[in-house]
Amino acid sequence: EDQVTQSPEALRLQEGESSSLNCSYTVSGLRGLFWYRQDPGKGPEFLFTLYSAGEEKEKERLKATLTKKESFLHITAPKPEDSATYLCAVQVRIQGAQKLVFGQGTRLTINP
Amino acid sequence: KAGVTQTPRYLIKTRGQQVTLSCSPISGHRSVSWYQQTPGQGLQFLFEYFSETQRNKGNFPGRFSGRQFSNSRSEMNVSTLELGDSALYLCASSFRLPGHLGETQYFGPGTRLLVL
Repeated sequence: EDQVTQSPEALRLQEGESSSLNCSYTVSGLRGLFWYRQDPGKGPEFLFTLYSAGEEKEKERLKATLTKKESFLHITAPKPEDSATYLCAVQVRIQGAQKLVFGQGTRLTINP
Repeated sequence: KAGVTQTPRYLIKTRGQQVTLSCSPISGHRSVSWYQQTPGQGLQFLFEYFSETQRNKGNFPGRFSGRQFSNSRSEMNVSTLELGDSALYLCASSFRLPGHLGETQYFGPGTRLLVL
């Protein structure tokens, strides 16, 4: 069964304190791995797509990396506005259609 | 370019009623997927439509149904509402054919449904 696990469930950091979020997956037929950011009461906002092991993507203070079994979202010198839930999802192909399988998310809080 | 829009944003219903939620995808997007988000289960896939055809369906009972119109707009319907159907219902659209490598889905703001 396709499964995505994110850790930790919640993370509190001080402003400027760098850290990493983990997303491990066991899926068949991986078509891509996605990171989204979700603020309370809103829909997920797309951040990155990663396709193959070794790939890296960066955007401001965020950097996503991918290995064969997991992905990391590195946050460098975070600010309070980076507080959100970060969701990892893998795209799998089932019978000619696509489906996103999501992890439970990591709730990140950045204290000023 | 306008993003994915969903209406209504908030809805309160009672058990046994039915509800219809609407989604307008990003202009030019032909694929629409629906997800249910709850604190306990997270984001779960409901179904996907492309060119007015349901391409894939998640593990939800038959009370959950949907359709897509020729302009790519989509609706989902939940009949005989149960308390456990209270959730944030999210719609996502994508541009290319389903199954295309790394196809990105863009989400709307969601419809928050409360069943009393």
